[in-house]
Amino acid sequence: DQQVKQNSPSLSVQEGRISILNCDYTNSMFDYFLWYKKYPAEGPTFLISISSIKDKNEDGRFTVFLNKSAKHLSLHIVPSQPGDSAVYFCAESGGSGGSNYKLTFGKGTLLTVNP
Amino acid sequence: EAGVVQSPRYKIIEKKQPVAFWCNPISGHNTLYWYLQNLGQGPELLIRYENEEAVDDSQLPKDRFSAERLKGVDSTLKIQPAELGDSAVYLCASSLHKLADTQYFGPGTRLTVL
Repeated sequence: DQQVKQNSPSLSVQEGRISILNCDYTNSMFDYFLWYKKYPAEGPTFLISISSIKDKNEDGRFTVFLNKSAKHLSLHIVPSQPGDSAVYFCAESGGSGGSNYKLTFGKGTLLTVNP
Repeated sequence: EAGVVQSPRYKIIEKKQPVAFWCNPISGHNTLYWYLQNLGQGPELLIRYENEEAVDDSQLPKDRFSAERLKGVDSTLKIQPAELGDSAVYLCASSLHKLADTQYFGPGTRLTVL
């Protein structure tokens, strides 16, 4: 059973608009979440993270929201740019404050930002 | 600063043949990880090293997979013999500490088993 679920395999957005990528998780013990971005033929790169003690974390155009009661997190990209076109993976790291090394990834969502 | 280096980038072999992948982590990173990424899936951890010690190999299929990290720097992942289902991307990552958001990934080796 998948513990981290990204139910949308793909998303297409116009340049300048908001991109919203969603992720659900099943284990309420999870308390540290991350988003990775992956371009073709490259490894995933860390984008942004959030601890369960927060409900929002912002870094430039990227904001991650965490809804613990719904076991749901989302990544907002505003404004979206063509260079943001990539596969986005949601991941959780069990343990306190991200101290657990073991990342559990979702299947990823392919974001396409059209000029 | 150089990133995680992996070679080869692509490998095509016939089933039952052996294959090996090499990883050079970021300088000074004590923790090294090998991940398997199947098509349409996220990466899954195979093994983690702290220096030269494999501290978590619970997900490594030990009947055909083996790994080593001599001298606590470079690492090699081997499959012998390869099976059709082993076709995937094998990712190496390293981190300075065992903290989730400091894992840096290499570009991966795409293995095709015919």
